[in-house]
Amino acid sequence: GNSVTQMEGPVTLSEEAFLTINCTYTATGYPSLFWYVQYPGEGLQLLLKATKADDKGSNKGFEATYRKETTSFHLEKGSVQVSDSAVYFCASRDNQGGKLIFGQGTELSVKP
Amino acid sequence: DTGVSQDPRHKITKRGQNVTFRCDPISEHNRLYWYRQTLGQGPEFLTYFQNEAQLEKSRLLSNRFSAERPKGSFSTLEIQRTEQGDSAMYLCASRQGAKGSYNEQFFGPGTRLTVL
Repeated sequence: GNSVTQMEGPVTLSEEAFLTINCTYTATGYPSLFWYVQYPGEGLQLLLKATKADDKGSNKGFEATYRKETTSFHLEKGSVQVSDSAVYFCASRDNQGGKLIFGQGTELSVKP
Repeated sequence: DTGVSQDPRHKITKRGQNVTFRCDPISEHNRLYWYRQTLGQGPEFLTYFQNEAQLEKSRLLSNRFSAERPKGSFSTLEIQRTEQGDSAMYLCASRQGAKGSYNEQFFGPGTRLTVL
């Protein structure tokens, strides 16, 4: 079945550092791919998405590119802020019913 | 629209008791999903509805679990004879979906279940 693997955390960075969180997927066909974020005490929110190969999703300075060749969807941000501290989840979407398949999450902590 | 709501937000119960959770989706959304999230893990799919029809159930959904969406609006998830392993955050999400559409799933705040 489909699965998503993302790099383990926690990840601790200083403010303005460069962020990469790795995500790879296995799937039949080409699923849509997503990054969700969960801020402390809040629910899951969609951060960005890509629906086909070579698409780049972007939002709030975060970017991720759908790489079919490497089955990857790595999340990047050039300069993180303390307010980016959260748990980040990579997910793929089943093309039939639309259910999401999540990675285990990566906790990011940004220090001033 | 206030988004997806779930009730209760927290539930503490003793092993062997039954519990029921409610999810109210965004009003025009025809698809409703239930997920379970344990500490340090990503959410895992449990089941989903299109309108009132339950179209898919995960093998995680044992026969102690039942979900309904009787009028195609709110949904309930019941767990019978709870076990300590049922302790988790139960998440509900909804979307306006047709096969192949790219509409986003919106998540509720979750119900945190603790089984003592």
